[in-house]
Amino acid sequence: QITLKESGPTLVKPTQTLTLTCTFSGFSLSTSGVGVGWIRQPPGKALEWLALIYWDDDKRYSPSLKSRLTITKDTSKNQVVLTMTNMDPVDTATYYCALTPTIFNWFDPWGQGTLVTVSS
Amino acid sequence: NFMLTQPHSVSESPGKTVTISCTGSSGSIASNYVQWYQQRPGSAPTTVIYEDNQRPSGVPDRFSGSIDSSSNSASLTISGLKTEDEADYYCQSYDSSNAVFGGGTQLTVL
Repeated sequence: QITLKESGPTLVKPTQTLTLTCTFSGFSLSTSGVGVGWIRQPPGKALEWLALIYWDDDKRYSPSLKSRLTITKDTSKNQVVLTMTNMDPVDTATYYCALTPTIFNWFDPWGQGTLVTVSS
Repeated sequence: NFMLTQPHSVSESPGKTVTISCTGSSGSIASNYVQWYQQRPGSAPTTVIYEDNQRPSGVPDRFSGSIDSSSNSASLTISGLKTEDEADYYCQSYDSSNAVFGGGTQLTVL
């Protein structure tokens, strides 16, 4: 059974850096083709893709947020970490991580998501 | 930037068929696979269609996906609507190796 779970702070202040961890089980991020992505969803709004990291350490970022995002993986710990700098109240959202089993393909399954609120 | 455009909302009666469109802003939507996700309130999205027209195990065959290159759009069709199908639906694809989500469609079954 494949599971993913997001963890990190629920509240961050404006201008701070957000660090989120995705801990997964049931697959290996060293398997060819496999990737883990981050997607967020502001309250009542649409899904927005943020970043992807693949088994070979290839990294992809949303063009609109690229300057603020860093994605890394720790294969031995089965974790993927996303950092987002210079947080703003508009970044308030539920942040999800999800498995992509092959390149340029679907996200499934997803973690339960973690709500991050940006407020002073 | 490449965008996927969906209708904001659709509604239909139980037992009927509904189709949700997802139109690419440029290029060819057929160049990359299109996926469809269902999201119920308070829950994470789940896949109902992947690789344009494939159903994951456990998704009923009332759900189907298609691509229309002439209109540069993908469609999700749900037949025999049930009240449990009421949810938000999102299409997703790729552009230059970056993932892209549509704006979502709220399906009301009434």
